[in-house]
Amino acid sequence: KQEVTQIPAALSVPEGENLVLNCSFTDSAIYNLQWFRQDPGKGLTSLLLIQSSQREQTSGRLNASLDKSSGRSTLYIAASQPGDSATYLCAVSRLSNTDKLIFGTGTRLQVFP
Amino acid sequence: ETGVTQTPRHLVMGMTNKKSLKCEQHLGHNAMYWYKQSAKKPLELMFVYNFKEQTENNSVPSRFSPECPNSSHLFLHLHTLQPEDSALYLCASSQVAGGNSPLHFGNGTRLTVT
Repeated sequence: KQEVTQIPAALSVPEGENLVLNCSFTDSAIYNLQWFRQDPGKGLTSLLLIQSSQREQTSGRLNASLDKSSGRSTLYIAASQPGDSATYLCAVSRLSNTDKLIFGTGTRLQVFP
Repeated sequence: ETGVTQTPRHLVMGMTNKKSLKCEQHLGHNAMYWYKQSAKKPLELMFVYNFKEQTENNSVPSRFSPECPNSSHLFLHLHTLQPEDSALYLCASSQVAGGNSPLHFGNGTRLTVT
């Protein structure tokens, strides 16, 4: 059974820091991996989608990497800003059932001025 | 502004009530999803519809009944719920089901069962 773990559960950093959020998954037979952002009381916003054949994806200050063989992904946020404060979730889509995303419990990030 | 709209935003219902959650997407997508988000638990997929056909039912109790009349609308009919069903119910859509196109989420309906 696929399990997705995100560490740390919460993170508080000063503005301007570069930071790394971690995601690990137990079954390497994935179709793709996605990172999402969730603001309080809101739905999820898709940030980056990495195909299983890819190693990384970049969007602005965000860079996500994927090491499928070791079951790990990282989300790198450069020059963090208070507006980056949110919960970040990763999710994997299984090869055996690509309709179904398996989510982690998220990392709650606070960036203070 | 989200392309996926959910109503109502908040709902309080008794265990004997019947209510419905509504989701509408204006993105021209063909797949729609219901997810449940409980406190301190990962999001759980409930149902998937692809081109109006249900392709996934993740062992959801029958007190939750989905309906997808067309590719733009999705409903979740609720009856005789339990307090543990209290959660944030999120609707999402994507171009097609199959995991290779990003999901677009609504802001959810916060459901409280008393």
